[in-house]
Amino acid sequence: GAVVSQHPSWVICKSGTSVKIECRSLDFQATTMFWYRQFPKQSLMLMATSNEGSKATYEQGVEKDKFLINHASLTLSTLTVTSAHPEDSSFYICSSGLAGGRAKNIQYFGAGTRLSVL
Amino acid sequence: RKEVEQDPGPFNVPEGATVAFNCTYSNSASQSFFWYRQDCRKEPKLLMSVYSSGNEDGRFTAQLNRASQYISLLIRDSKLSDSATYLCAVTLWEAGTALIFGKGTTLSVSS
Repeated sequence: GAVVSQHPSWVICKSGTSVKIECRSLDFQATTMFWYRQFPKQSLMLMATSNEGSKATYEQGVEKDKFLINHASLTLSTLTVTSAHPEDSSFYICSSGLAGGRAKNIQYFGAGTRLSVL
Repeated sequence: RKEVEQDPGPFNVPEGATVAFNCTYSNSASQSFFWYRQDCRKEPKLLMSVYSSGNEDGRFTAQLNRASQYISLLIRDSKLSDSATYLCAVTLWEAGTALIFGKGTTLSVSS
């Protein structure tokens, strides 16, 4: 089946640094990649939708200048958390899917990145 | 009102028990429905899609009631390995849209 590779799986960084998270679709072309964030004991919340070759669409309340998304190719989307602060510590996860038809909008998730900002 | 709401947990059951999870969604335009399983500190994994006709996969049965905007998951003969958080998710359109997740319900199966 379709595979999405995400790395790094775990990042610990100092406050004020930037962290880049990569998601690659390994055996399909991902024109759209979704980025979610999950705080402890909370649900996965959509942050933004990454579209290949165009600007990402951000959900209300998500700062686009803080969470930079780049989707320069059909197999790679990146999320950069700029000037990270402790409140950005969370589980970040991407997903993409084979839309329509038999796949019925099945989403394939990366393994997630656990970010801890000290 | 949240878009997808689930039973509050946790559910603590003995092995062999039958347990049911419920989920309601607020947007009648929702098109696709899923149950995901998430283990601690891991990504969610698709358990099953949910259809109006209902579907069954081994010990797991999912039902969708569009009129009531309600989704259910039944687990029969619970195993220790079923311990996880179960997430209900919907999408608004047939294809190309993000999943909207419920908060999840934690199941703990004990021997």
